[in-house]
Order: sequence, then structure tokens, then C-alpha cells
Amino acid sequence: NAGVTQTPKFRVLKTGQSMTLLCAQDMNHEYMYWYRQDPGMGLRLIHYSVGEGTTAKGEVPDGYNVSRLKKQNFLLGLESAAPSQTSVYFCASTTDRGPQETQYFGPGTRLLVL
Amino acid sequence: AQSVTQPDIHITVSEGASLELRCNYSYGATPYLFWYVQSPGQGLQLLLKYFSGDTLVQGIKGFEAEFKRSQSSFNLRKPSVHWSDAAEYFCAVDPRTGGTASKLTFGTGTRLQVTL
Repeated sequence: NAGVTQTPKFRVLKTGQSMTLLCAQDMNHEYMYWYRQDPGMGLRLIHYSVGEGTTAKGEVPDGYNVSRLKKQNFLLGLESAAPSQTSVYFCASTTDRGPQETQYFGPGTRLLVL
Repeated sequence: AQSVTQPDIHITVSEGASLELRCNYSYGATPYLFWYVQSPGQGLQLLLKYFSGDTLVQGIKGFEAEFKRSQSSFNLRKPSVHWSDAAEYFCAVDPRTGGTASKLTFGTGTRLQVTL
């Protein structure tokens, strides 16, 4: 099992450019999440999905869109990148057996917006 | 407002010394409680969790945490720290607001430095 993988590992964008971050999991998990991590702020939830074809907003959704066309994949899109979106992005997944279940995290994508 | 607080931004301990990392939460009911560790350049790994039962929880890598309802705390401890424990530690809570979706709120993290 690869667990949770993220593509790419690192990216530099110019302001206004768009990009898509890919998260893939091979654990057959129902729930998937996108977080951003900024210094001194911990991880904050951007969007999440409770199943294929569903998405929902988290704490900081503005400027991001997501899609869950396949159960194993969760994509995070930036339509027009801004310097404020410079961050490390983490994807996570877990089962649908309840909130006590462990979230499994990917290795992260470091994004720099100039 | 609901929140998770890790009051220590940075802690330095000597190898072999004991460790306690603090976590306090502010929620109406007892949430599910988690501790995650993040090594440099890595994702987060679960150390331990509490959702019911015995208030002293054992985790991986020799860590334990104690839930104290009266203090709204879930402090992480280790009797003897190893140099490989140097990392950032995050406390996280799920507020148990209903439904089956796990939704975590993270503290701001405590960076642990271990001196030899």
C-alpha cells in the first residue's frame, strides 16, 4: 500500500496562474480532506469530501475548488493563484466509521506563489 | 469560541529527560482528542487518540497522554526523550457535533528540539 500520495511535491506559480494538486489514496477510504499549513497556524481545513461525487467547505475554502470524481482521488484547484496561497498543502483520508477514526496524511505539496 | 491551544511554541529538552507537551481545548462537550507528530518535510503521523474509557492513553514510540476533563486538557508525555523525537507535535480535536465525518481542528503545534 502506498497510503496517501500527493502530486506534485513542490511547485512555483506566478500570481494569476492556475494549477491542480492531486491526492490519491489506495485504502478505499470514503472521506478525504485538503488542509493548508502555515507557520504558527497549524493545519486548517480547506475542503473535504465524504464520498465520490461529494464535496464540502472547510474553514478556509475561498480561492480553492475541489473535485472527487473517483473515490481514490481528491483534486484541489487554484483558479487564480495569489501570494496568500503560498503554503504547504496536505491531503488526508479516513474511513466512514466515525470521527474517532485516524486520518492518514500524505507527504505534502509545497506551493510558492510569486 | 471553540478552540485548541498549545501554549508552548518551542520546547528544548535533553536526550533522556522527560517530556510533557500541553494541549487545552475549549468545547462544550468532550471532543475526540488526538496527537499527531510531523517530522521535518513529512506528513503527519498519529501518535495516539482518546475517545472514551481510560483517561490515560498509550501511543506509539513510547508516548502517552492523559485526558483531564476538569482541566479540559490532553497533555502528551514521554518518560525519556530520544534524539529522534525531535519534530513538531500537533494536538487535534474532533468536536463530536454529529454525523460520521471526521473533522479535525488542529492546535498551532509545538516544536520539540532535543539536545544531546
